[in-house]
Amino acid sequence: DAGITQSPRYKITETGRQVTLMCHQTWSHSYMFWYRQDLGHGLRLIYYSAAADITDKGEVPDGYVVSRSKTENFPLTLESATRSQTSVYFCASSTGEETQYFGPGTRLLVL
Amino acid sequence: GESVGLHLPTLSVQEGDNSIINCAYSNSASDYFIWYKQESGKGPQFIIDIRSNMDKRQGQRVTVLLNKTVKHLSLQIAATQPGDSAVYFCAENRGYSTLTFGKGTMLLVSP
Repeated sequence: DAGITQSPRYKITETGRQVTLMCHQTWSHSYMFWYRQDLGHGLRLIYYSAAADITDKGEVPDGYVVSRSKTENFPLTLESATRSQTSVYFCASSTGEETQYFGPGTRLLVL
Repeated sequence: GESVGLHLPTLSVQEGDNSIINCAYSNSASDYFIWYKQESGKGPQFIIDIRSNMDKRQGQRVTVLLNKTVKHLSLQIAATQPGDSAVYFCAENRGYSTLTFGKGTMLLVSP
């Protein structure tokens, strides 16, 4: 049971480049989430999705785009990366009413 | 003892001691609470949850206490082990299938 996976685990990119972070879950959970984690801010919600083709903004959505064409995948795209988007990104999934289960994270460095 | 570190409050204990990690939440309408453990370089891991109609819930070596009057949540870890060293987050569900996370407390266990 793979659970929830993220790729890549580490990424270095340059300012202005487009970057896509991938998230895949095998539980058929309806809800999926993207968070960023920064020192001093804890976990902040970027976007979430209640089902395929349904997405909604979280606390810090600016500069990010998401899509959800399939239940199991929820990619996060930084259309034009900025240094302030250097962070650790976590994907999570849930049935919608209870616990969220997290992936291992992607460490992104924008130079 | 407990101290405020550069970024996170830190609780330092000796192996075998009982640990108590505290969390204040803000929304009296929150009806579901979760404690997560995050080890260095990993994603948050579910520990235990509690619903607002309960005051206490016990798991293996862990107990969560909920005081709705003062909007306070605590996590008690019995016989703390070095493997318990991690950052611990509380999270509250305000009823929209999304969670709001606290900033976390770092637990350091000395052998």
